[in-house]
Order: sequence, then C-alpha cells, then structure tokens
Amino acid sequence: ILNVEQSPQSLHVQEGDSTNFTCSFPSSNFYALHWYRWETAKSPEALFVMTLNGDEKKKGRISATLNTKEGYSYLYIKGSQPEDSATYLCASMTTDSWGKLQFGAGTQVVVTP
Amino acid sequence: EAGVTQSPTHLIKTRGQQATLRCSPISGHTSVYWYQQALGLGLQFLLWYDEGEERNRGNFPPRFSGRQFPNYSSELNVNALELEDSALYLCASSRDSGNQPQHFGDGTRLSIL
Repeated sequence: ILNVEQSPQSLHVQEGDSTNFTCSFPSSNFYALHWYRWETAKSPEALFVMTLNGDEKKKGRISATLNTKEGYSYLYIKGSQPEDSATYLCASMTTDSWGKLQFGAGTQVVVTP
Repeated sequence: EAGVTQSPTHLIKTRGQQATLRCSPISGHTSVYWYQQALGLGLQFLLWYDEGEERNRGNFPPRFSGRQFPNYSSELNVNALELEDSALYLCASSRDSGNQPQHFGDGTRLSIL
C-alpha cells in the first residue's frame, strides 16, 4: 500500500450500536499513526497517536488498535451517540518523510437517534 | 490554554494575486504545519516549520511558501493565485514532530475568483 486508505467511506449507525472502521497505511518505514475526529464547522480534534505494533488506545467509548506489520488500524466506537457523528481521519508518518502526515480520505459516521 | 488561531477566516482574491495566511500556535509548541483541503479532496500536507526552519514540504509548486517567526507564529504565502488554489487551509501545531498529536486551527477559506 502506497497511500493511506480508509473504509468504509461512510456509515450510518443507530444510537446505542457499536461500530468499527479501518485505516490501511504503508507498513514500510512506519513511525506513527494518528487518528482525528472532524465535526462539521469545527477543527479536527486529535484522538490518538499510536507508534508501537499491538498498541491499543482508549478514550471514553472510542478505542483503536494498531498492526504495523500488516499496515492497518481499527477504530471502534462503543454504544454510539449522536455526538459521535463526525468524519474520522487517520494519518500515517514514516521515518523517511519526517513530520509529514499523510491523511486518508476519512470515514464519515452518522449516528441516528 | 488558547488554541491555534488562524487569520483571516475568509479571504477572497483574484487570479494572479498573492495571498498571505497567518497562524499562531499553542503556547509552547514549536512545530507548525500547513494543510490544504480542496473541494472533494482530503487533507494534503503542505509545509512543516520547526524552530524557524522549513523541515519538510508536500508536493506543491514553489509558489506556495511560508516562514516561521521567532515567536513560532507562521505565515503561508501563495503567489500567482490560480483557481484551483481555492480551498480550506488549516494550520496545526505540536510540541514535537512525530509522536505528539497535532492541534488544528479553524482554518482560512481562500476563494479565488
């Protein structure tokens, strides 16, 4: 994989349901994987920065896992709430392009009551 | 703690003109990043400044340039504006360049007529 890819592009979730989505990134020269949440009319908000293979991070009902060997990360939302509606972006940084975050196109999550 | 501030919020220019966008990072952050989000596209890395120096650059022509001042604030200059430069320009700051989250401003919407 040469670019950062996210799937699905969008998903609709019922309030209370749990969901997850994927970020695929180049595994060679991996340094860090960032997750951001971007709500409409706001600025992107940092969720997690993950650097180690097997890393698991949690923030409230949101958690993420990282597999650097195969180049993927999952983001999980447990018991989705309407305020979780946002676009979730992942971005990778490699050791041969220091400081440059390569973003995926995002997964748009819509939580309906 | 004051967040990342960007000015102006909106900027309208015509083809061939020059635009200057400004960014003030969070206090204590030495790294400033610039991103472009054109219509229908994801966030594209433009520039990274740290300690007053340009450290990395995305795939943009030389007419995109900038600088970082001794107080770590930054300017993005776009010369010879073209219609496709119409986009949201986001600035972000961080304490470090790799494993620290980036904190984003609200952006400057640049429209080229």
